[in-house]
Amino acid sequence: EAQVTQNPRYLITVTGKKLTVTCSQNMNHEYMSWYRQDPGLGLRQIYYSMNVEVTDKGDVPEGYKVSRKEKRNFPLILESPSPNQTSLYFCASNPGPNTGELFFGEGSRLTVL
Amino acid sequence: QKEVEQDPGPLSVPEGAIVSLNCTYSNSAFQYFMWYRQYSRKGPELLMYTYSSGNKEDGRFTAQVDKSSKYISLFIRDSQPSDSATYLCAMSVPGANSKLTFGKGITLSVRP
Repeated sequence: EAQVTQNPRYLITVTGKKLTVTCSQNMNHEYMSWYRQDPGLGLRQIYYSMNVEVTDKGDVPEGYKVSRKEKRNFPLILESPSPNQTSLYFCASNPGPNTGELFFGEGSRLTVL
Repeated sequence: QKEVEQDPGPLSVPEGAIVSLNCTYSNSAFQYFMWYRQYSRKGPELLMYTYSSGNKEDGRFTAQVDKSSKYISLFIRDSQPSDSATYLCAMSVPGANSKLTFGKGITLSVRP
């Protein structure tokens, strides 16, 4: 089954404690991206990757890091989480740049105390 | 002005009703227009995809794009309780590194 898998699905942490949200896709897609979803703000792109070792910032990259060492994996790293990073995070993948069909994971709900 | 504006809702309709969901946008460079559906505690999934202006129909769903007015719509005919979800409009510029610009979403409830 074609899917994007994120872990953990739920996480409560404290300010400053580094965490990583993993993302893996099994569709051999070139493109992967991270979005956060907040009430009243909708979905906003954090980072994207066009291929292995190629990443770039989206609209709200502050406080986040990413890496793309393998085609299928695109982890999101919060080096020093802060309460304003409390959000619902989605990883997505798509086969190319000119398609609107993003395949989303089921989301990771993060709470930073 | 936000790049994409979507009616905030929520919206509640009886089963069988015709539903009209709408978004307006300000960036004339948008060429790809999508509607995503998001069920509670799930990720968004693509429902309809349109390139440039025109209509597209898929079963009970019809998407319309009017680039001259910078306005897109999604119509749902014979709405069903299973259509209860949040609907997100999204748009992108060609070659824009997978970045979709989303509306805030509208929550639809279809009452049996």
